[in-house]
Amino acid sequence: QQQVKQSPQSLIVQKGGISIINCAYENTAFDYFPWYQQFPGKGPALLIAIRPDVSEKKEGRFTISFNKSAKQFSLHIMDSQPGDSATYFCAAGSNFGNEKLTFGTGTRLTIIP
Amino acid sequence: EAGVTQSPTHLIKTRGQQATLRCSPISGHTSVYWYQQALGLGLQFLLWYDEGEERNRGNFPPRFSGRQFPNYSSELNVNALELEDSALYLCASSLGVGTDTQYFGPGTRLTVL
Repeated sequence: QQQVKQSPQSLIVQKGGISIINCAYENTAFDYFPWYQQFPGKGPALLIAIRPDVSEKKEGRFTISFNKSAKQFSLHIMDSQPGDSATYFCAAGSNFGNEKLTFGTGTRLTIIP
Repeated sequence: EAGVTQSPTHLIKTRGQQATLRCSPISGHTSVYWYQQALGLGLQFLLWYDEGEERNRGNFPPRFSGRQFPNYSSELNVNALELEDSALYLCASSLGVGTDTQYFGPGTRLTVL
């Protein structure tokens, strides 16, 4: 019940294209869904996060789409740039005195010129 | 504002030894989380401390333990090291119970020979 399934494992996108990473969860108690970006040798950095009361959140070129009924959420990176090449992790958490995050297994994104 | 700091950056131990990893949270943050990131895998939740107390632990054996000091810094101890303990250990901090955003440090790379 605690799993967060992330796909694809790796993704290659041409510069200027749209990168899409998908995640699915099982635990309906989850009410917080962040995305983290991790560069080699660095810790994960929060990119964008969403709560189930909205279906979409946009910050610059990054958009989270959320489908509560399907228990799925996705990250869209518009106009992908070489500097976006990194590993992306989705995560899910709940605020019921159990504040840990359950992470997906990550997507290695490569943006090619 | 200084971020989450971790020490050492790298740690090499042999089987059966003990490892101690340290973490200093962002100033003002009272919650500290520990995660294990094994090669090619996602982040696995280890421990959560808040206000000096262990609030939650993940599915790891008791030889993984830790504590949080009065200044909110934390250490993770791994006893009787096994080869499969080799991983990147990440520390994150947040403002406290009921808040969601976790900020990660750069991690400690533990290698068990």
